[in-house]
Amino acid sequence: TQLLEQSPQFLSIQEGENLTVYCNSSSVFSSLQWYRQEPGEGPVLLVTVVTGGEVKKLKRLTFQFGDARKDSSLHITAAQPGDTGLYLCATRSTSGTYKYIFGTGTRLKVLA
Amino acid sequence: DTAVSQTPKYLVTQMGNDKSIKCEQNLGHDTMYWYKQDSKKFLKIMFSYNNKELIINETVPNRFSPKSPDKAHLNLHINSLELGDSAVYFCASSQGKVYGYTFGSGTRLTVV
Repeated sequence: TQLLEQSPQFLSIQEGENLTVYCNSSSVFSSLQWYRQEPGEGPVLLVTVVTGGEVKKLKRLTFQFGDARKDSSLHITAAQPGDTGLYLCATRSTSGTYKYIFGTGTRLKVLA
Repeated sequence: DTAVSQTPKYLVTQMGNDKSIKCEQNLGHDTMYWYKQDSKKFLKIMFSYNNKELIINETVPNRFSPKSPDKAHLNLHINSLELGDSAVYFCASSQGKVYGYTFGSGTRLTVV
């Protein structure tokens, strides 16, 4: 069974600090997506990375796809309270092309 | 305009009852999904329809039955509700296999 492990599971930081969260698998990803879920809402797609070594930036968020396509990281610079939420990585299952599996999630809280 | 809308937002019901959750998307996507998010925030796929055809049917009790009257709608009917069915159920849609999901805001089901 394909599993996506995310770390850390929980993270509480002060406004203005930097942080990095990770997504790892024992399998090679075809592509990888990052979502953010706020309380009471559904996950919202932030980015899709496809190529090994790829780096994408979305304002203060930097997404990196590992060279071997088995891991990814999300770095947030100068975190703000609005960044608070559950961060999820997801990838297409090896057993079905329409089926995405989600990681275990990182719950981030940014304190003002 | 809400892209993926689910109703109801909250559902509290007694064990043994039958209930339905409705989902509609106005994005013109060809594929719709039901996911279940447990108390640990883990998202797990249940069903998927592509152009009204069932393409994913995970190991879900047969008390759960999805129905897709057209490609813009996907409903979930649950018979004989059990305490363990309590969770947040998310509807999502996608166009093709690569571009990620658009999620609804979820239905919090509580079985008492």
